[in-house]
Amino acid sequence: GAVVSQHPSRVICKSGTSVKIECRSLDFQATTMFWYRQFPKQSLMLMATSNEGSKATYEQGVEKDKFLINHASLTLSTLTVTSAHPEDSSFYICSASTPGLPPEYYGYTFGSGTRLTVV
Amino acid sequence: GQQLNQSPQSMFIQEGEDVSMNCTSSSIFNTWLWYKQEPGEGPVLLIALYKAGELTSNGRLTAQFGITRKDSFLNISASIPSDVGIYFCAGPGGGADGLTFGKGTHLIIQP
Repeated sequence: GAVVSQHPSRVICKSGTSVKIECRSLDFQATTMFWYRQFPKQSLMLMATSNEGSKATYEQGVEKDKFLINHASLTLSTLTVTSAHPEDSSFYICSASTPGLPPEYYGYTFGSGTRLTVV
Repeated sequence: GQQLNQSPQSMFIQEGEDVSMNCTSSSIFNTWLWYKQEPGEGPVLLIALYKAGELTSNGRLTAQFGITRKDSFLNISASIPSDVGIYFCAGPGGGADGLTFGKGTHLIIQP
């Protein structure tokens, strides 16, 4: 159980354009989805928490107007990097969670990640 | 916020050797997780620990949750080439129960 899918796996975009990344929970309905960012040779850092049907909560230092998160259904959350710049190039990873289910559904399972390169 | 201190930062070992890495925290975690990440992939959960003092195995991997809930170790016995990767400890403590990660232990196996 607890299968999380992420798309696309890689994307290259031009500076100033926007990019959308999708995160889907395939075998369960996720009330919460988490978005992380990982720079090369560094650890994962939580960017934001999105709850279905409500506004996302962003960690300190993460610009909510740059990283737009939509969690419109219990199986899909999207992260849109707006007006991307080279410094936004990173590995973006999501996880999904539903309290009340076994622990493996608590956001401990991750998607395969999206490598964003802004040129 | 909560921080996890993971060591060593990297390990160079021979195939067949045993490996040990650990994580400590200044604050209590209710859950402790160990992940492995390979290049270009998301982290894969290896072992989850929920009770203080818990010792859990997954094949050649063994992990224990410290009695104080402020530390954990991960052991890998008889390492093989496919064990290469970055190992992270993690625990809930990020915003709204997102995970806080250690900085990782990079395992390199020399033939």
